Formats: sequence, C-alpha cells, structure tokens
Amino acid sequence: GIQVEQSPPDLILQEGANSTLRCNFSDSVNNLQWFHQNPWGQLINLFYIPSGTKQNGRLSATTVATERYSLLYISSSQTTDSGVYFCVLPPSGGYQKVTFGTGTKLQVIP
Amino acid sequence: DTAVSQTPKYLVTQMGNDKSIKCEQNLGHDTMYWYKQDSKKFLKIMFSYNNKELIINETVPNRFSPKSPDKAHLNLHINSLELGDSAVYFCASSRENRRQETQYFGPGTRLLVL
Repeated sequence: GIQVEQSPPDLILQEGANSTLRCNFSDSVNNLQWFHQNPWGQLINLFYIPSGTKQNGRLSATTVATERYSLLYISSSQTTDSGVYFCVLPPSGGYQKVTFGTGTKLQVIP
Repeated sequence: DTAVSQTPKYLVTQMGNDKSIKCEQNLGHDTMYWYKQDSKKFLKIMFSYNNKELIINETVPNRFSPKSPDKAHLNLHINSLELGDSAVYFCASSRENRRQETQYFGPGTRLLVL
C-alpha cells in the first residue's frame, strides 16, 4: 500500500517562530488532508489539499502531487499550535484505504 | 450540536470482558470509519462502512465486530478484551467514500484494559 512519511517527527519551537512540516507519499494520489491533533486528543481537519496552495490564517498548505509531497506552513506559532500534525490520504477512486502519515509532534514553548 | 459523538469517552475494563463503543453522526454522511490510535500516536483504520455496508476491513482480530444499524450509527463491539487493545478509538464520518470528501472525527474513546 501507499506509504506516507512525515518529517520532522518531533519539533520544538519558540512562540512566534515559523515552521514547515513535510509529508512525502510513495505513490500518486488524488487527495490529501492535513489534521491537527491537539493535546486533548481532538482531531481537527485543517486542509483538504489535493494540489496547489491554500491558506487559513497563520496556516497554509501546498501539495505538489506530481512530486509526491505536501507541506504545511505554520507562521507566528502559538502555544495552542502544539500537538501532532498528520497528513492523511482519504479514499481515492478504486483505492479504498485511508492512510495516515507518521505524524509530526510539535511543541511550542512560550 | 456535536457532529460526531462517541460514547463512552473513557472505558476501563478487565481483560476478557466484552465491551461496546458507540458512534453517532448527525451530519447526514453516508460513510463512517473506526480508527485505532496506539500509544505512539499512530492512527490506523480498522473499518469503514458506506450506507450500512462494510467497505474496508483491515487486518483486525475477529474479536472486533462493527455494526451499523443505520447510516448515522457505527458501533464497535470488542469480545474477550486483551491488554493490547488499550488505545484510543476514533470514529469518523464523511459525506461519501470517495475523493474530495473531508473526514470529521469524534472526540475519541480511551480504552484501558487491565
């Protein structure tokens, strides 16, 4: 099946810093989602981003499907950004399986 | 209004017991999922139902049996619980089981088997 790897696995940031999280996938895909799991365990959808770039406040995401990667940018990080970020490949065409990436654990310190 | 709800939120039980986790979505979605998140935070899909029909059944022990009485509900029954079943179980739903559909997650059920 498709492999989804994220980097870095762990990241510590000072509040206010910017960061880039990366998601690499092993095969061509038609869709991709980014999720944030906060320290309380809630899974929150951030972006549905099969290709191109989207922005939502301090967050933006870019997917280059032809090169099999997606990037999540966090600018001016806040302590509430802490948690684990997952990229996810939802079902696509005949490929039914949902695949979660390995996750990036982010800690933003004041 | 809660979009995807799960009960119970916490479940502590003895090895060998049988337990159920319930999931309900009020979004009118056709597809529902169960995921298991282990201690390393890795999320794995277990099952997916579309319009009450099973469409994904990953390599999960037979002790786990999903049941979908209607489109809005997908319950997970676990027989003969084992220590390794301790994890957080997430339910999710999406409008359809196809591309361009965002998944919405429940709050999770934290299962601890003693």
